[in-house]
Amino acid sequence: NAGVTQTPKFRVLKTGQSMTLLCAQDMNHEYMYWYRQDPGMGLRLIHYSVGEGTTAKGEVPDGYNVSRLKKQNFLLGLESAAPSQTSVYFCASGLAGGPAGELFFGEGSRLTVL
Amino acid sequence: AQKITQTQPGMFVQEKEAVTLDCTYDTSDPSYGLFWYKQPSSGEMIFLIYQGSYDQQNATEGRYSLNFQKARKSANLVISASQLGDSAMYFCAMREGYQKVTFGTGTKLQVIP
Repeated sequence: NAGVTQTPKFRVLKTGQSMTLLCAQDMNHEYMYWYRQDPGMGLRLIHYSVGEGTTAKGEVPDGYNVSRLKKQNFLLGLESAAPSQTSVYFCASGLAGGPAGELFFGEGSRLTVL
Repeated sequence: AQKITQTQPGMFVQEKEAVTLDCTYDTSDPSYGLFWYKQPSSGEMIFLIYQGSYDQQNATEGRYSLNFQKARKSANLVISASQLGDSAMYFCAMREGYQKVTFGTGTKLQVIP
């Protein structure tokens, strides 16, 4: 049972390069989220999706784009990477139906932008 | 405005003692849920406990309990009988209504033998 899988786990980019992080979940969850974690800042919500074909902005959306073309996948894109986007990125998923229900997290993706 | 506030960047507790990690929240939505997660040094996020805004009783899960004071908008995590394996970062989080989930900045707990 894979749960939530993030690829890649590690990536080093140069400033200005682009990349896509893939999050895949096999639990048939409606909700999916992308967070970034920086020291002293906790987890900050970048974008989220409440269903296939829908996306919404979180707390820190600038510089990122997302897509949810398939229910099981949530992609996070960086069009022109900046050093400020060096971070650990977490994807999470959860069931719909109200405020209850835990989020299930991937293992994280460490991105370094030089 | 900060939705979730954790005012304790770091805390120490003696092994076998109880410890309380503070969390206050801010929302105007009458329907919300509060969560606590543990992040050990290995990095994974581990779900600990959940409290719904309409729940009458405080949530408990083994050695974890959530002290929910709705009027004060606080949702403190109480860990009883601390163990060395409890040393980790602890995050409070809130889901407002049916959608986004926001996290606090975390508290680093260190258990002393």
